[in-house]
Amino acid sequence: DTAVSQTPKYLVTQMGNDKSIKCEQNLGHDTMYWYKQDSKKFLKIMFSYNNKELIINETVPNRFSPKSPDKAHLNLHINSLELGDSAVYFCASSQYGGWGEQFFGPGTRLTVL
Amino acid sequence: AQTVTQSQPEMSVQEAETVTLSCTYDTSESNYYLFWYKQPPSRQMILVIRQEAYKQQNATENRFSVNFQKAAKSFSLKISDSQLGDTAMYFCAFMSSESGSNYKLTFGKGTLLTVNP
Repeated sequence: DTAVSQTPKYLVTQMGNDKSIKCEQNLGHDTMYWYKQDSKKFLKIMFSYNNKELIINETVPNRFSPKSPDKAHLNLHINSLELGDSAVYFCASSQYGGWGEQFFGPGTRLTVL
Repeated sequence: AQTVTQSQPEMSVQEAETVTLSCTYDTSESNYYLFWYKQPPSRQMILVIRQEAYKQQNATENRFSVNFQKAAKSFSLKISDSQLGDTAMYFCAFMSSESGSNYKLTFGKGTLLTVNP
């Protein structure tokens, strides 16, 4: 059983389009995250939700809008895609507090042409 | 803000040998968590080992161990008996335990480790 899943795994699109990435976890965790890994492999937090409430909102263009319909799902919608948005986007989940060990999804490689 | 520095962009080791990856961090906090994550070519992020700052004993997980030097703010990863499957990008990460940090991970830039046969 997949613990943290993301769809799609690959996404190729044109500049200016709007796209969404979906994430689901079946670990019973209450906190989910979006990370961006750029072309140099650098990983940086973007957003985090705890029980559907936004708790981390790093400096990210407002073209990026996360949404958590319930604590098992966290989606990322990106408007007006730009070339610089090309990256791998990782979803992760954890139980808030304690070790906070984060379990990562397989990543979504987004390519903007 | 916390920073994590991995000074070795790339390293290589022969199969069965031992290799140490270095990591330093900067924080004013007294308690926090440190992690090493592995990212093989499959892209999956895999937790290798973790350490709580208030624990003096160095963490070990089979062939993986850390050398945690709190005063020096150093957290190196030692891989013993290297295997071809250890070839991956290794990321050091810091997590604050303080209220308001919300457990976000701050990553270093990674070290690409290649294990040669």
